[in-house]
Amino acid sequence: SQTIHQWPATLVQPVGSPLSLECTVEGTSNPNLYWYRQAAGRGLQLLFYSVGIGQISSEVPQNLSASRPQDRQFILSSKKLLLSDSGFYLCAWSEMGLAFFGQGTRLTVV
Amino acid sequence: RKEVEQDPGPFNVPEGATVAFNCTYSNSASQSFFWYRQDCRKEPKLLMSVYSSGNEDGRFTAQLNRASQYISLLIRDSKLSDSATYLCVVRNSNYQLIWGAGTKLIIKP
Repeated sequence: SQTIHQWPATLVQPVGSPLSLECTVEGTSNPNLYWYRQAAGRGLQLLFYSVGIGQISSEVPQNLSASRPQDRQFILSSKKLLLSDSGFYLCAWSEMGLAFFGQGTRLTVV
Repeated sequence: RKEVEQDPGPFNVPEGATVAFNCTYSNSASQSFFWYRQDCRKEPKLLMSVYSSGNEDGRFTAQLNRASQYISLLIRDSKLSDSATYLCVVRNSNYQLIWGAGTKLIIKP
């Protein structure tokens, strides 16, 4: 069966520091992968999606970037975090229109 | 207008009661519909898909009204463990998932 791993679960980072969140999927090949952000009391905002290695689409302009160095690995990065980057970040993969999420990373930028 | 809209709630409901909430969508070409459940500080998890003919899974019933462009979720005999945020999701013709902001449900003893 397919599983998705995302880490770390929580992260506190100072403003201006770099960020790297990693997500890996097991049990499937060539998955569609997504990074979402969920601000408190708000819906899921799609940040990036990828249909294959090296293929990244960005949904909103922002301080973040994504990379897909391997088929089942998706990385969310920032060179310099802003306070507004705080939020709950979720990695997901999809099949048949359904989305399956990692446990999420709660990022607090201080 | 948001593509997918939900009443944020919270809906405060006594245990054992029946509760229903709707989700409206703006794109008439939307193809698939889902309800997800999200517990506090956790990731969303699929609750059920919504089929054109309506579908039921135990105490949960989901329905789709294409003419009025909304989907609904009905929970019967509510349990304390049903307390969560329920997210409506719509898949559009580009295979993108559009998420509602969620409806918070609190079941009280």
